[in-house]
Amino acid sequence: QKEVEQNSGPLSVPEGAIASLNCTYSDRVSQSFFWYRQYSGKSPELIMSIYSNGDKEDGRFTAQLNKASQYVSLLIRDSQPSDSATYLCAVKGGGTSYGKLTFGQGTILTVHP
Amino acid sequence: SAVISQKPSRDICQRGTSLTIQCQVDSQVTMMFWYRQQPGQSLTLIATANQGSEATYESGFVIDKFPISRPNLTFSTLTVSNMSPEDSSIYLCSVDGGRLETQYFGPGTRLLVL
Repeated sequence: QKEVEQNSGPLSVPEGAIASLNCTYSDRVSQSFFWYRQYSGKSPELIMSIYSNGDKEDGRFTAQLNKASQYVSLLIRDSQPSDSATYLCAVKGGGTSYGKLTFGQGTILTVHP
Repeated sequence: SAVISQKPSRDICQRGTSLTIQCQVDSQVTMMFWYRQQPGQSLTLIATANQGSEATYESGFVIDKFPISRPNLTFSTLTVSNMSPEDSSIYLCSVDGGRLETQYFGPGTRLLVL
């Protein structure tokens, strides 16, 4: 059973729309949650981190965390073609998994003009 | 954020040979990790590189296949030993500053084994 699951893709949205990416995790002791963006042929680039329940906004990006539901999401407002990439949800472990990131399988986002 | 470099950036190797990948960070970091990303897949943690002691490997990865060194707080190497085509992947090192701090990735080493 996967420990981090992302909504299946690929996801296609028109330019200017809101893209919604979702992720659930199984480890209740997890305390840190991250969204990475990965362009083809490149390494993952951090775009958002969130540690507390609620929303965290950074420009066009909003991360939402609900620890009770073990759910984290990423909203991209006013989507641009340059946002087309694979988005990876990552959860940092606690306890014996301290510091280690577990990644979801990724969601491919395409923003079409 | 830390600046991370990896060498080589890519390589093509023959089966049965070994390749050592270097990861250099521009500042001292507590934790360093090595990940593998197979074609079309997400990232999988290989091991935690521990400074001054043996690396801690994840399930499915063993020291004989992926020996790791970490002689100081800014440098680590990963060796992919006795390579087969199944080892063709991107290998990434990452650094982490602590419990809530962010983890950053190096540019990756793209390995093709023929």
